[in-house]
Amino acid sequence: GAVVSQHPSRVICKSGTSVKIECRSLDFQATTMFWYRQFPKQSLMLMATSNEGSKATYEQGVEKDKFLINHASLTLSTLTVTSAHPEDSSFYICSALRGRGRQETQYFGPGTRLLVL
Amino acid sequence: DAKTTQPTSMDCAEGRAANLPCNHSTISGNEYVYWYRQIHSQGPQYIIHGLKNNETNEMASLIITEDRKSSTLILPHATLRDTAVYYCIVRDQAGTALIFGKGTTLSVSS
Repeated sequence: GAVVSQHPSRVICKSGTSVKIECRSLDFQATTMFWYRQFPKQSLMLMATSNEGSKATYEQGVEKDKFLINHASLTLSTLTVTSAHPEDSSFYICSALRGRGRQETQYFGPGTRLLVL
Repeated sequence: DAKTTQPTSMDCAEGRAANLPCNHSTISGNEYVYWYRQIHSQGPQYIIHGLKNNETNEMASLIITEDRKSSTLILPHATLRDTAVYYCIVRDQAGTALIFGKGTTLSVSS
């Protein structure tokens, strides 16, 4: 299947600092990418939809000024957690949309585990 | 609100077929059924998807009832590595994100 990578795989930062997470589609171009967050023992929660060359669309309750998303190319989307706090500690997962119509499929990255101290 | 209903958990013996059910009684005509699984601490893995016909690939088979109100994912010969949370998701519009429910935790034991 298609390959989506994320970097870093895990990060520990101090409260108040910013953290950038990269999501890359390695073998296909993705006009649309998505960012999810997953807390322990819970399911994935959609945070935002990222479209190449335009502003991201955020889900209700997700602060766009805190979670900055940039989708500057067809293979790269970044999520920056600004002024991180311990409650932002979570598993962040990106995905990229590949194909159209019947073949349209979402492929997920391996996730980034963020711990804010 | 979730568009699908899945059992919370299931057990399967290694080497046997694992049949995971999913109810999606409100599915509309242009909605696809997608199956993903998530192994602990990893991103979800795509398994298979279909519209109305049965589908098979190297990982699994997807059986969709004629009225499309339910489906079953079949792992023909379960292994210990198939232990994961399995998500059945109905997606309504092209280009939109998958919305995850709670899924079914499948435990495969020897």
